[in-house]
Amino acid sequence: GEDVEQSLFLSVREGDSSVINCTYTDSSSTYLYWYKQEPGAGLQLLTYIFSNMDMKQDQRLTVLLNKKDKHLSLRIADTQTGDSAIYFCAESKDYGGSQGNLIFGKGTKLSVKP
Amino acid sequence: KAGVTQTPRYLIKTRGQQVTLSCSPISGHRSVSWYQQTPGQGLQFLFEYFSETQRNKGNFPGRFSGRQFSNSRSEMNVSTLELGDSALYLCASSLARDSSSTDTQYFGPGTRLTVL
Repeated sequence: GEDVEQSLFLSVREGDSSVINCTYTDSSSTYLYWYKQEPGAGLQLLTYIFSNMDMKQDQRLTVLLNKKDKHLSLRIADTQTGDSAIYFCAESKDYGGSQGNLIFGKGTKLSVKP
Repeated sequence: KAGVTQTPRYLIKTRGQQVTLSCSPISGHRSVSWYQQTPGQGLQFLFEYFSETQRNKGNFPGRFSGRQFSNSRSEMNVSTLELGDSALYLCASSLARDSSSTDTQYFGPGTRLTVL
């Protein structure tokens, strides 16, 4: 099965909060990431969290990690039309100490309606 | 500091040809990873290089290869192109203070390869 799973679509109104959810399977993953991809562009790192943390806040972004359930979420406060993009959750796989291999979910397309 | 750069940004090739893509990491970054992004398979890891050595490899056929130079710049090569190789190829760099670490990966804009 998939290593990382995300719902494919999310639609919110401008000014509301958006919550994008992700589940992962590898309990040994040390880092969990959120990336943003706008049309025709590469991946922009939004934030990441260590697996020994349960929450991280960075301006409008809040990441929550539930290690027991292997569940990660990204909350965007006061969502703006410029936040419309595809959001990818990713975990680091540890191969002999190196974490150069990111496993990505399929991405959640966030649509923000004015 | 300049970000990760990739050249060319767009490329059109025909089946059977080979292609070389280039990636220049952020200055001081020593690890370079390559990913393939397609609508069907999503983002998939190809390989990672550190200090001119391939450190990790994904599940791709031997037609996909890469290398890293002493200045950390990296190239990937795809030989005998197939229609299914059409994709966005993304390169990511990370600091990697030593051979057992990677740190956060920063991505370039990608090279869009179309195989006709």
